Amino acid sequence: AQTVTQSQPEMSVQEAETVTLSCTYDTSENNYYLFWYKQPPSRQMILVIRQEAYKQQNATENRFSVNFQKAAKSFSLKISDSQLGDTAMYFCAFGKGGAQKLVFGQGTRLTINP
Amino acid sequence: EAQVTQNPRYLITVTGKKLTVTCSQNMNHEYMSWYRQDPGLGLRQIYYSMNVEVTDKGDVPEGYKVSRKEKRNFPLILESPSPNQTSLYFCASSLRGYTDTQYFGPGTRLTVL
Repeated sequence: AQTVTQSQPEMSVQEAETVTLSCTYDTSENNYYLFWYKQPPSRQMILVIRQEAYKQQNATENRFSVNFQKAAKSFSLKISDSQLGDTAMYFCAFGKGGAQKLVFGQGTRLTINP
Repeated sequence: EAQVTQNPRYLITVTGKKLTVTCSQNMNHEYMSWYRQDPGLGLRQIYYSMNVEVTDKGDVPEGYKVSRKEKRNFPLILESPSPNQTSLYFCASSLRGYTDTQYFGPGTRLTVL
C-alpha cells in the first residue's frame, strides 16, 4: 500500500521568509501524481500544486514550487516570500495513475508570523 | 457560484442512530469522494464515485455506505454510528478523477456519543 509521510508536524517562519515543507512517499508504481493541498483556519481545502511523476520539470504556481525527487521518493513544497495568508495546514497527497484513490499525509501546520 | 455543499455542518448524535450527510455539487463533475480528517492522521478516503451508479471503496470504508443515484449528489450514510466515527468529514468533487483539481465542501463535524 502507498504511504505518505510528512515528518514536520509544525513549522513557523517570519513573514517574507522562504519555507520548505517535506513529504516522502512509498510506492512501487511508476505512473502517479503528487499534490499539495492547503487547509486554512476556515477548513476549506484548496489545491496548491500538482506534479505528474512522468514529468521531470518541477511544478510551480506563483510563489509555490516543488522539488520532486523521484528516485528518493521525495516531494517538498517551497513557499517563497511567505505571507500571513499562507498560515494553514498543508497536506501532501499521492494518487496512483490507474486507481482513483488519494492517500494523504498527516499534515504540517505552518504559521507565518508578522 | 461553483461549489460543493454539505449538510449538516455540525451534528451531535448517539451511538446506533442512523444518519445521512448530504453532499451536492453544481459543476457537473463526474468524480466525487468522501474523506474523514482526524488529528495526526490527515485525510483518509472513505468512498469515491466515478459516475452515476459507480462507487468504490477507499481506504476506510467500514461502517459507511454511499450511493450515487444522481450525478450531483453523493450522500454518506452511517447506518449505526459508533464513537470511533467521530470526525471531520469532507466531500469533494472533480471533473473526471483525482488528477483533476478537487473542490472540497466546507466539512461536517460529526460527534457520536
